[in-house]
Amino acid sequence: QVQLQESGPGLVKPSETLSLMCTVSGGSISSYYWSWVRQPAGKGLEWIGRIYSSGNTKYNPSLNSRVTMSVDTSKNQFSLTLNSVTAADTAVYYCARVKRVGAIHYYYMDVWGTGTTVTVSS
Amino acid sequence: QSALTQPASVSGSPGQSITISCTGSSSDVGVYNFVSWYQQHPGKAPKVIIFDVTNRPSGISDRFSGSKSGKTASLTISGLQADDEGDYYCASYTTTSTYVFGTGTYVTVL
Repeated sequence: QVQLQESGPGLVKPSETLSLMCTVSGGSISSYYWSWVRQPAGKGLEWIGRIYSSGNTKYNPSLNSRVTMSVDTSKNQFSLTLNSVTAADTAVYYCARVKRVGAIHYYYMDVWGTGTTVTVSS
Repeated sequence: QSALTQPASVSGSPGQSITISCTGSSSDVGVYNFVSWYQQHPGKAPKVIIFDVTNRPSGISDRFSGSKSGKTASLTISGLQADDEGDYYCASYTTTSTYVFGTGTYVTVL
């Protein structure tokens, strides 16, 4: 059973960089797309972007200039970096796997981490 | 990209059926059959209950069903149960190869 676990600082100062890691256990990171999704308290879900195990990325246009994702297949981990954060970036951040069956990549997320809360405050 | 539009809340009595709408545009819901629905209970991660408009993942009750007409997708929950209470989000693939979620709907079981 594949499991995902987010990790990283729970508190980030305004204008600084938010960095999170997602560790994949119980399965391989290879040949899958992996996504980041966030959710401010009491609000809806926002897709941040996705990365393929080869490193190919696609980001939400609204965050594109501040987001970077990377993958380390040797460690079965992928990461999220968000620059120049403000209070508006305070949220629960989830990592998730995009469903794949054989060579077919679907368009939904079937495995999610439990989420990690990041607060942007001085 | 703009979030897909959902009603803020829907309610129903146990045993009844409810339907949640999800309205997008010709850049997402209207052009692809890649609409999914997620259920989220308080403090928990989202869980997919419908994918590709009408399909249920293994283990999901057949009380959940999905459909689409034009730019609007819908989720129907039949035989409403207390455990169905929570937030529901639609999502769609887009013409710019991104992904967009709906605004979310809170389902109350009366």
